[in-house]
Amino acid sequence: DAKTTQPNSMESNEEEPVHLPCNHSTISGTDYIHWYRQLPSQGPEYVIHGLTSNVNNRMASLAIAEDRKSSTLILHRATLRDAAVYYCILRVPETSGSRLTFGEGTQLTVNP
Amino acid sequence: EAQVTQNPRYLITVTGKKLTVTCSQNMNHEYMSWYRQDPGLGLRQIYYSMNVEVTDKGDVPEGYKVSRKEKRNFPLILESPSPNQTSLYFCASRLSGRGNEQFFGPGTRLTVL
Repeated sequence: DAKTTQPNSMESNEEEPVHLPCNHSTISGTDYIHWYRQLPSQGPEYVIHGLTSNVNNRMASLAIAEDRKSSTLILHRATLRDAAVYYCILRVPETSGSRLTFGEGTQLTVNP
Repeated sequence: EAQVTQNPRYLITVTGKKLTVTCSQNMNHEYMSWYRQDPGLGLRQIYYSMNVEVTDKGDVPEGYKVSRKEKRNFPLILESPSPNQTSLYFCASRLSGRGNEQFFGPGTRLTVL
C-alpha cells in the first residue's frame, strides 16, 4: 500500500489559516487522497477527499500537487473546535477491501 | 439522523468470556468495517464487508469474527478474548465506490483482564 508522511504535530492560532502537509510519493494513479480528523474521545470524521484537482467544501480545502506526490489540507480560519488529529490517507482499490490505512496523523493544537 | 451506532460503548471483561460488540447503520450503506485503535499503531482494519453475506479479513483479523446477515448490522465477535485485544474499536460504513466518505461510530472501549 502507498504510504503517507505527515508531521507529528502542528500549532496554530485561532482565526488564522492552517496548512497541513502530507507526502505520498508512491501514490498510484487511481488512489484517492482522503483526509479525516479525530477529535478527542470521538471516532474519525471525514473532512475532504480528492483525486487530481483541488477541492473545496464547507470544512476545508484540499490542494493537490500536480504530480500528486503531496497534498495540503487547508483550514481557512482555525477554531478551537478544529483541534484534533488529522489523517491523510490513500484509498486502496475496492477489490482490496478499500480500507483506510490510518497512520499517526498530525496533532493540531489551536491556541486561543 | 444518519449515523453509525455501537454498543456497548465501554466494556470490561475477563479472558475467555465470549462477547459481541454490535454495530448498526441507518444509511443503507453497502460497505461496513471494523477497526481497532492502539497507541502508536494508529487505526487498523480488522474485518470488512462489501455487502450482505460478503465479509473478508482486514489487516488484523486474528481472534475476531464477524457476520453480515442484514445490511444495517455488522457485529464483531470475540469468541475467547485475550488481554491483547484490549483496545478502542470503531465501526464504519460507507456507500460502495472509492470516492465515498466513511462514517465512523463513536467507538467501544474494551478492556480484557
